[in-house]
Amino acid sequence: DMKVTQMPRYLIKRMGENVLLECGQDMSHETMYWYRQDPGLGLQLIYISYDVDSNSEGDIPKGYRVSRKKREHFSLILDSAKTNQTSVYFCASSSTEISGNTLYFGEGSRLIVV
Amino acid sequence: KTQVEQSPQSLVVRQGENCVLQCNYSVTPDNHLRWFKQDTGKGLVSLTVLVHENDKTSNGRYSATLDKDAKHSTLHITATLLDDTATYICVVGDRGSALGRLHFGAGTQLIVIP
Repeated sequence: DMKVTQMPRYLIKRMGENVLLECGQDMSHETMYWYRQDPGLGLQLIYISYDVDSNSEGDIPKGYRVSRKKREHFSLILDSAKTNQTSVYFCASSSTEISGNTLYFGEGSRLIVV
Repeated sequence: KTQVEQSPQSLVVRQGENCVLQCNYSVTPDNHLRWFKQDTGKGLVSLTVLVHENDKTSNGRYSATLDKDAKHSTLHITATLLDDTATYICVVGDRGSALGRLHFGAGTQLIVIP
């Protein structure tokens, strides 16, 4: 069906609480990404995963960790959330060869940390 | 430093009019360039991918050009519809594989009024 699904879509957490954002894809893509989008800025890469248990830091990994135990599933974890982690988080997936039209995004997870 | 600059930041047009969105970048190397449409509160949806020097693509009312010498791309929308109201995001990939990085512009917000 070529879809990237994110859960939850909306989340409000208190500062210091743990946050789990989940992402699934049904295209058997090797590569999955977590980005955050803030007003006036382009998407910023948090983590990239090249396959199961093959994860690399992106440009802004501090305060985040990830888990990929199955190819179709990629989780973003915030241990002890901070107010500056309030943002919209996007998951994406692609085949290894991405210059073609093979990059798909989820609908976003809107996190508010109070 | 932002490597992908989009202009204008926002644009209002009347339904039926044409519009042109600009993307200038400094990413090197520049393997490919994508345009995405992002409806409010939604994820990014790919409109087109440009790969080669002086590439031109067409997808219905959307057409795009790429000038790699000038590091510049344009997205043309003809006969705009109210549903074209969205943010349009330019993304430059520095490699054709997931081992490269995607560089995102902050987007142009297009509003189509009746």
